[in-house]
Amino acid sequence: NAGVTQTPKFQVLKTGQSMTLQCAQDMNHEYMSWYRQDPGMGLRLIHYSVGAGITDQGEVPNGYNVSRSTTEDFPLRLLSAAPSQTSVYFCASSPGQFYGYTFGSGTRLTVV
Amino acid sequence: GQQVMQIPQYQHVQEGEDFTTYCNSSTTLSNIQWYKQRPGGHPVFLIQLVKSGEVKKQKRLTFQFGEAKKNSSLHITATQTTDVGTYFCAGGSGGGADGLTFGKGTHLIIQP
Repeated sequence: NAGVTQTPKFQVLKTGQSMTLQCAQDMNHEYMSWYRQDPGMGLRLIHYSVGAGITDQGEVPNGYNVSRSTTEDFPLRLLSAAPSQTSVYFCASSPGQFYGYTFGSGTRLTVV
Repeated sequence: GQQVMQIPQYQHVQEGEDFTTYCNSSTTLSNIQWYKQRPGGHPVFLIQLVKSGEVKKQKRLTFQFGEAKKNSSLHITATQTTDVGTYFCAGGSGGGADGLTFGKGTHLIIQP
């Protein structure tokens, strides 16, 4: 099993550009989440999903969109990149309530 | 919204000393999870606590969940250099259905 796969691993964007961070899991997990990690801020929840077709906002959703058309994939879209979105982004999945999350290896995004 | 506070932010210990990190929530939690992140890596799930007053052990690690389900702690006995990393607690308010709220983490630095 590959687990949770995130692509790309590194990305540099110019302010105003849009892009999609990809996340795929092969464990048939229902729950998937996106977090951003900034120095001194821990992990902050951006968006999450409890199943295909169901998404909801987390703590810091502004500037990001998600969709969950399949159980396996949960892409994160940056609509118009801003320097404040420079961060490390982690995707994570879980079988459901009361189970731990498996994290991907992260995408390091720099917006200039 | 739910807030999860974690202290201390940094902890320096000599190898062989004990280490404890504390986690406090502003609201009653349905469950709490603990993760470890090595430098440059991604968070890795350690354990979940669900019951009031629950105590779980993993070798040298002891995890506790408070009676009111608003606080938790992780204690490491006789630290080793392999324990280096950042330890995060993450609280769920709806059994995981609302996504996890992470504390900012405690960075454990071990001096040989």
